[in-house]
Amino acid sequence: GIQVEQSPPDLILQEGANSTLRCNFSDSVNNLQWFHQNPWGQLINLFYIPSGTKQNGRLSATTVATERYSLLYISSSQTTDSGVYFCAVERPGGTSYGKLTFGQGTILTVHP
Amino acid sequence: SAVISQKPSRDICQRGTSLTIQCQVDSQVTMMFWYRQQPGQSLTLIATANQGSEATYESGFVIDKFPISRPNLTFSTLTVSNMSPEDSSIYLCSVAIGGYEQYFGPGTRLTVT
Repeated sequence: GIQVEQSPPDLILQEGANSTLRCNFSDSVNNLQWFHQNPWGQLINLFYIPSGTKQNGRLSATTVATERYSLLYISSSQTTDSGVYFCAVERPGGTSYGKLTFGQGTILTVHP
Repeated sequence: SAVISQKPSRDICQRGTSLTIQCQVDSQVTMMFWYRQQPGQSLTLIATANQGSEATYESGFVIDKFPISRPNLTFSTLTVSNMSPEDSSIYLCSVAIGGYEQYFGPGTRLTVT
């Protein structure tokens, strides 16, 4: 199956710092999403971004599908950004519809 | 987007028993998905639930252990059968809206003693 690798596995920041999280995937994808899992376990949908660049406030994401990677940028980090960030992909093909393969996540801790 | 609720939010169960988890969506969806997140791990897809047909299970998951029902377009249940401590996990349901973005319920945190 498709492999999804995220880096770094852990990241510790001071409030106000910027960061870049990376997601590499081993095959063509139909769908790529970034999620934030907060300390209570809730998964929040950040971006649906199979290609191109999107921005939402302090967060932005870029996917270069031809080179099989995606980046999530967090600027001016806040303590509420703490949690686990997951990249998840869906392979092309009817039988793969909606079936996401998740990376192992990046654990982000933002200190005040 | 979609609003998804799950019941129960958490439970502590004894080994050998079964627990049924409910997932309710605020809109009609064709496909619902069930994932498992073991402690400190990422999410793994258990099965896909379509209304009116048998659920489709991923490698490593079987119907006898994780029976799924999908009686209508807004509701699904996942049962964790004959539980062991290794089944202690967060179980999450999700839906795909517009064929693209997936949204997840708040999860059911299960501890098996």
